[in-house]
Amino acid sequence: RKEVEQDPGPFNVPEGATVAFNCTYSNSASQSFFWYRQDCRKEPKLLMSVYSSGNEDGRFTAQLNRASQYISLLIRDSKLSDSATYLCVVNNFNKFYFGSGTKLNVKP
Amino acid sequence: GAVVSQHPSRVICKSGTSVKIECRSLDFQATTMFWYRQFPKKSLMLMATSNEGSKATYEQGVEKDKFLINHASLTLSTLTVTSAHPEDSSFYICSASGLAGTNNEQFFGPGTRLTVL
Repeated sequence: RKEVEQDPGPFNVPEGATVAFNCTYSNSASQSFFWYRQDCRKEPKLLMSVYSSGNEDGRFTAQLNRASQYISLLIRDSKLSDSATYLCVVNNFNKFYFGSGTKLNVKP
Repeated sequence: GAVVSQHPSRVICKSGTSVKIECRSLDFQATTMFWYRQFPKKSLMLMATSNEGSKATYEQGVEKDKFLINHASLTLSTLTVTSAHPEDSSFYICSASGLAGTNNEQFFGPGTRLTVL
């Protein structure tokens, strides 16, 4: 079983839509969690850390559910510029495991 | 956020040559640096974890004699692909962690695209 699993998508949504991604992880001892964004042929860039209490940054909201071992990312009012691949990342004892990414296409 | 640079950004070489890639944390001391490779439309695959002054820890299936990692200082790690072959062509990305006040976040370099002819 993979350490981190994500639906690869693609998610095709119109501008202004709300879209949510989920990610599951296998190791219940995982310590920290992140969402990264990767544009085509570029390096991943940190979007946000994910905390147990949930956290919000503008149009982006991340949630962690330790009991069910999943994390989520919600994007409100999607913009064309949100089109990218979103990577779920889990940290186990300073080893980072990446999901395969979920591709988002926001269309006009 | 912290800045990590990589050099070169792109390299094309002949089969059998060795290629060195540098990864630098520009504005913080990175206690740990990581090396990844990524094939088209695939996720990042961790190759090795490198701590300053100690030997790198390689992931299963990654040949340590082929991918030499040196982490001489808290701001510099190098990856040398020795005797490169066409199947080594890939996007190599480094990352660094250890920025004070962060949640162990990794900051990525811009990547090096290696093409072996």
